[in-house]
Amino acid sequence: AQSVAQPEDQVNVAEGNPLTVKCTYSVSGNPYLFWYVQYPNRGLQFLLKYITGDNLVKGSYGFEAEFNKSQTSFHLKKPSALVSDSALYFCAVQRDDKIIFGKGTRLHILP
Amino acid sequence: GAVVSQHPSRVICKSGTSVKIECRSLDFQATTMFWYRQFPKQSLMLMATSNEGSKATYEQGVEKDKFLINHASLTLSTLTVTSAHPEDSSFYICSARDEGVEQFFGPGTRLTVL
Repeated sequence: AQSVAQPEDQVNVAEGNPLTVKCTYSVSGNPYLFWYVQYPNRGLQFLLKYITGDNLVKGSYGFEAEFNKSQTSFHLKKPSALVSDSALYFCAVQRDDKIIFGKGTRLHILP
Repeated sequence: GAVVSQHPSRVICKSGTSVKIECRSLDFQATTMFWYRQFPKQSLMLMATSNEGSKATYEQGVEKDKFLINHASLTLSTLTVTSAHPEDSSFYICSARDEGVEQFFGPGTRLTVL
């Protein structure tokens, strides 16, 4: 079965420190990979995507993610966290027309 | 970038009534629209996929007679929750896709059934 795993329910990072939000996936073929962010009572905002090409993808608000095919991972990273980065982050895999979301990781940036 | 709107953003209704939620693509033609449901502190679950002018395809376990989806034009899809009950209270999010790969998400509609 196809699935997306975000092993951490919550990640706490001090402001200014680097952050990593983990994501692994189990999908056949060559899926498209996405990261979205959700603020309270809001829809999803697109951060970045990997379809093909360079394994390191740069996205909005200084975020980046590295596609690792051998480890089937697509971890989200940012070199220096901001308090405003505190939100709920979803990793997602798209295969054909369907998007499968991870359960989400709540990121808390501590001032 | 592509913009998707939803209306209303928040609705409260009495048990037994029906509620219609609109999803519009504002600056592109959406050949396909998707409806998701999100329970508190949980991920998004795909409910159905709709293509303009054809019947929606529902995911397993989603009642098609309960959640009526209409995709009447290339910019509008509606989700009607019929005879709503408190267990239907949730956050409903739509997304739209043109001929490309990426889905663009609406801001969501918070439904509360009393």
